[in-house]
Amino acid sequence: EPEVTQTPSHQVTQMGQEVILRCVPISNHLYFYWYRQILGQKVEFLVSFYNNEISEKSEIFDDQFSVERPDGSNFTLKIRSTKLEDSAMYFCASNVLAGVNEQFFGPGTRLTVL
Amino acid sequence: KNQVEQSPQSLIILEGKNCTLQCNYTVSPFSNLRWYKQDTGRGPVSLTIMTFSENTKSNGRYTATLDADTKQSSLHITASQLSDSASYICVVSEWGSGSQGNLIFGKGTKLSVKP
Repeated sequence: EPEVTQTPSHQVTQMGQEVILRCVPISNHLYFYWYRQILGQKVEFLVSFYNNEISEKSEIFDDQFSVERPDGSNFTLKIRSTKLEDSAMYFCASNVLAGVNEQFFGPGTRLTVL
Repeated sequence: KNQVEQSPQSLIILEGKNCTLQCNYTVSPFSNLRWYKQDTGRGPVSLTIMTFSENTKSNGRYTATLDADTKQSSLHITASQLSDSASYICVVSEWGSGSQGNLIFGKGTKLSVKP
């Protein structure tokens, strides 16, 4: 069964460093999303992406964040200068259509900023 | 502000017993409500999706209900199994939210099923 994959599973970085989190959505899906979940807190929407551009973003998704679909299969989230408070689990999701359609989530990347 | 509140925060039940988890939301305008199961350290997995016109939906031993008038939903788990131990998250989508389906998550109910 096709699934969303994410790499790495765990990333440790120093404050101020840039990180790139990678996701491979399900191959026939057209809509892509990033969410984050700070330890012990609820999942929060970051950004949605369709047709090679951002569709919607939350107030969390500030200028430090960017997304890209560089090669037609990968979907990346870049954090330019990490802060301690960026430590969280980052989930990628995708679906075929937006609206009332199931979003399939990846296993997540745990980002630890020291 | 759009919010999704869940209760209880945590629940412990014995294997084989039934349980019901609650969700209240203030999201408006409403598009759909989803229940997800999230195992520790894993991504959420969809259990059910309901639009405003649906008031019940089942997926195996999971049955979700929706009352769009009172903005309440419940998830009933029948004959619980040890593998049901997880967080159950209620998620609501706002109608017309960029048309891209970004979701508003509750904090989840942490269910522990004991032998």
